[in-house]
Amino acid sequence: AQSVSQHNHHVILSEAASLELGCNYSYGGTVNLFWYVQYPGQHLQLLLKYFSGDPLVKGIKGFEAEFIKSKFSFNLRKPSVQWSDTAEYFCAVNGAGNNRKLIWGLGTSLAVNP
Amino acid sequence: GAGVSQSPSNKVTEKGKDVELRCDPISGHTALYWYRQSLGQGLEFLIYFQGNSAPDKSGLPSDRFSAERTGGSVSTLTIQRTQQEDSAVYLCASSLGSSGKQETQYFGPGTRLLVL
Repeated sequence: AQSVSQHNHHVILSEAASLELGCNYSYGGTVNLFWYVQYPGQHLQLLLKYFSGDPLVKGIKGFEAEFIKSKFSFNLRKPSVQWSDTAEYFCAVNGAGNNRKLIWGLGTSLAVNP
Repeated sequence: GAGVSQSPSNKVTEKGKDVELRCDPISGHTALYWYRQSLGQGLEFLIYFQGNSAPDKSGLPSDRFSAERTGGSVSTLTIQRTQQEDSAVYLCASSLGSSGKQETQYFGPGTRLLVL
């Protein structure tokens, strides 16, 4: 079955701490991978995406993610978080073939204390 | 340019009533998606339109749910005889196309539906 698992449901960090949010997927075939972010009171925004090529992708606001095919993982990282990173983070996957619908993880709520 | 817009932003209805939710995709985007975000359950795919192709309705939870896309642009999601379990945020997304880098989906603000 197609699924996405985000290991951390709630994360609390202090400013300047490093962040890593786990994402593992189960999906047959070639995949596209995404991280979306939802800031309080705002709608979902794309943070970064992987389609092909370099498995280390860089997104907005200093975020990056690494696609490790052998581990079916696409973990999100940021070396130093800010209070403004407080948000809900969602990992999603779809197929690189004809199946375009996104399969989503349950999300990780990140709270950064100033 | 303008992003994906959805209306209404909030909808409160009584059990058994029909509701219509509207989505205006980004101009020029050929693909349009509907998702549902329920409390504690994450986002769930509902339906996908791509150009003039038959829509992928595989995510619609029951025959009370239907959607159409007129003129390849605006889409309406209709829920008939609403039930309390239909309460959720209904999200619409659009993408430029459906291959390669055109696949990135851009989301609207959602419609928060509450069924009493």
